[in-house]
Amino acid sequence: KQEVTQIPAALSVPEGENLVLNCSFTDSAIYNLQWFRQDPGKGLTSLLLIQSSQREQTSGRLNASLDKSSGRSTLYIAASQPGDSATYLCAVIRTGNQFYFGTGTSLTVIP
Amino acid sequence: DAGITQSPRHKVTETGTPVTLRCHQTENHRYMYWYRQDPGHGLRLIHYSYGVKDTDKGEVSDGYSVSRSKTEDFLLTLESATSSQTSVYFCAVTDGSSMNTEAFFGQGTRLTVV
Repeated sequence: KQEVTQIPAALSVPEGENLVLNCSFTDSAIYNLQWFRQDPGKGLTSLLLIQSSQREQTSGRLNASLDKSSGRSTLYIAASQPGDSATYLCAVIRTGNQFYFGTGTSLTVIP
Repeated sequence: DAGITQSPRHKVTETGTPVTLRCHQTENHRYMYWYRQDPGHGLRLIHYSYGVKDTDKGEVSDGYSVSRSKTEDFLLTLESATSSQTSVYFCAVTDGSSMNTEAFFGQGTRLTVV
């Protein structure tokens, strides 16, 4: 069974700092990987989708990388802002559109 | 939000009663999913659908049933609600192609079983 791990579970940083969130998975036979953010009491918002043939995707201050062979993905957030405070989840996608979610990293950006 | 609406958004029900949650989408996505989210467990798949009348079980399907009679609607029924089914329920959709698997989520339904 695919296991997805996100470390750390919680992270607190001062505003303006660049940071990296980690996602690791046990089975490299994946189609794609997707990063989400979740605000308290809200649904998941899609941030970035990395297809298996790609190594990274960028959107604004966010950059996500994927290394299938090592079973790792990272989400890089540049110049963090208080509005970035949320829980960030990664999901790996396998055949049949099966999603396997990590338990998330709770990020707090301190003004 | 990919045109996904969940209803109701909040519900309190008594143990033993049936409950139906609705997910409605407006953008003709092929796949629809029901997840539950609980502290310490993350998101767990209950059931999913890959087309009208085509559904399959996820990892926590016991006590739940689903139906999809139209592309746009996916219903989740708790046949006889129990306190262990108190949770936040999320609906999600994807197009279903191997290239574009981007998932979009609804805002969730908070269900409390008393």
